[in-house]
Amino acid sequence: AQKVTQAQTEISVVEKEDVTLDCVYETRDTTYYLFWYKQPPSGELVFLIRRNSFDEQNEISGRYSWNFQKSTSSFNFTITASQVVDSAVYFCALSSGTYKYIFGTGTRLKVLA
Amino acid sequence: DSGVTQTPKHLITATGQRVTLRCSPRSGDLSVYWYQQSLDQGLQFLIQYYNGEERAKGNILERFSAQQFPDLHSELNLSSLELGDSALYFCASSPTDSFYGYTFGSGTRLTVV
Repeated sequence: AQKVTQAQTEISVVEKEDVTLDCVYETRDTTYYLFWYKQPPSGELVFLIRRNSFDEQNEISGRYSWNFQKSTSSFNFTITASQVVDSAVYFCALSSGTYKYIFGTGTRLKVLA
Repeated sequence: DSGVTQTPKHLITATGQRVTLRCSPRSGDLSVYWYQQSLDQGLQFLIQYYNGEERAKGNILERFSAQQFPDLHSELNLSSLELGDSALYFCASSPTDSFYGYTFGSGTRLTVV
């Protein structure tokens, strides 16, 4: 079975704090892709990153970084020096050999000024 | 602008009615996917079309149907609407398969009263 678990339902931080959003996945496939999407209050889903199962290198993009660890089936997302504009719901998703994504339930991040 | 266009943005209709949601994929993308985002079910895959043909079905009700036209735009038809069908409906597109990462439209918010 395939599953994505985002155990953190909601996180609140004060601006400029670092925050990590957890994502744990389950799949029996050896080839799979992991994604993070951001859903701001306006409702659209914004693609952030894609990582394939053969590439365990961490990724950094500005204030965003991602830590992929196959040993723990985790693909965590860290925002450094958070800003109010980072307030959104963040979804982790898994795609493994099929057409569809399995989405986690999302983590709502609130960044307070 | 993601390049995926969904219309209308908002739709309010009564129970028992039928509505059509429209999606124009990003230029060059052959695959179109429909997702439903509701409060209790999260983001759920409904159906995929590839170059005019149905490729896969997910948790799509029999009251719902979709098609992809020769110009690659897609329509999702929802009939005999119930209160529980109120949700955000997303269309996404990708060049071929889902591994490349979806580009989502901004969604259609359907409210059934």
